Amino acid sequence: RKEVEQDPGPFNVPEGATVAFNCTYSNSASQSFFWYRQDCRKEPKLLMSVYSSGNEDGRFTAQLNRASQYISLLIRDSKLSDSATYLCVVNDFGNEKLTFGTGTRLTIIP
Amino acid sequence: DAGITQSPRHKVTETGTPVTLRCHQTENHRYMYWYRQDPGHGLRLIHYSYGVKDTDKGEVSDGYSVSRSKTEDFLLTLESATSSQTSVYFCAISGGVAGTDTQYFGPGTRLTVL
Repeated sequence: RKEVEQDPGPFNVPEGATVAFNCTYSNSASQSFFWYRQDCRKEPKLLMSVYSSGNEDGRFTAQLNRASQYISLLIRDSKLSDSATYLCVVNDFGNEKLTFGTGTRLTIIP
Repeated sequence: DAGITQSPRHKVTETGTPVTLRCHQTENHRYMYWYRQDPGHGLRLIHYSYGVKDTDKGEVSDGYSVSRSKTEDFLLTLESATSSQTSVYFCAISGGVAGTDTQYFGPGTRLTVL
């Protein structure tokens, strides 16, 4: 079983729609969680950290469910510029190393 | 954007030749990392450094070595390149105000081994 699992997609979503991704992680001791965004042939960039209480940044909402060991990302009112691959990332306590999911590819359709 | 550069950005080499990739940062971050990214595998850690001359192995370290003689530079060496090392290589840094577990990536090096 992979440590961090994501649905690879692709998700093809019309502009203006709401889209949600889930990610599951296997290590119950994991302490930090992130969503990164990666555009085609570019480096990953931090989109947002995921906090236990959930957090929102504009059109983006991240949720953490420790009991079920999954995190989610919700994108509202999707824009063409949201087209990218979204990486779920997990960090274990006291460890500077991150574990990356393979990513979920999103395409926003005009 | 974090001040991270990688060189070269693209390289084509032949099997058996040595290759060195360079990562340079201007952020004075303590931690530096080398990853490779391949289809179906996501980002996998090769080696990382937690200070000058302090390095450790990641999950896919075989065939790679690293060196860090200065805070700002982290070198990745393929002693004898193989076709299985064809990949995109990303450098990352962490240890700034955002915390040690928030990593920022360089633009990547696309390496092809023929």
